[in-house]
Amino acid sequence: AQSVTQLGSHVSVSEGALVLLRCNYSSSVPPYLFWYVQYPNQGLQLLLKYTTGATLVKGINGFEAEFKKSETSFHLTKPSAHMSDAAEYFCAVSAGGGNKLTFGTGTQLKVEL
Amino acid sequence: EAGVTQFPSHSVIEKGQTVTLRCDPISGHDNLYWYRRVMGKEIKFLLHFVKESKQDESGMPNNRFLAERTGGTYSTLKVQPAELEDSGVYFCASSRQGEGTDTQYFGPGTRLTVL
Repeated sequence: AQSVTQLGSHVSVSEGALVLLRCNYSSSVPPYLFWYVQYPNQGLQLLLKYTTGATLVKGINGFEAEFKKSETSFHLTKPSAHMSDAAEYFCAVSAGGGNKLTFGTGTQLKVEL
Repeated sequence: EAGVTQFPSHSVIEKGQTVTLRCDPISGHDNLYWYRRVMGKEIKFLLHFVKESKQDESGMPNNRFLAERTGGTYSTLKVQPAELEDSGVYFCASSRQGEGTDTQYFGPGTRLTVL
């Protein structure tokens, strides 16, 4: 069985500040990890993913995440927030390609001037 | 390349009525998934098709839900009869077989409201 915990359903940052969205997972098999973003009135868009190999993965729009097996974490970061980053972010885990995704409850990111 | 499309974007029905949601995956994607997000909760898996076959339907809530994928192209999800707790956003996703199968591409969702 797999599960995901996203700490903080709402996160607010100032424009230009560091964005840190937390994700912890539980998996009985080596996990595949994903971050998706949903902008208002749109579908989910893949930001980045970790499958195997390098544990620091870079995604679109300046986001990156680091897989830390010892901490069972996959936190999402961006050095400098932009107003356009305001959206809902979802962390997800799967047991590998062709398997279902198990999502966290989502984190709503607000970016203030 | 066209993305995953879903129809309708919104549906408002009364309790006891029937609703059919449609998903058109990205062309050539054999894997098709349905997910649902009830308000305030996480996005939950419903079922997974590989071509026209149901690979995993462990997330289907009950027998009021029927999913089909005839011919292995588009899929429909029928809810009959609809109940209040069926309200939510239904997402469809698709992915390739083989290389790239781990990346699921999502549609915009269908927002279902049952009154």
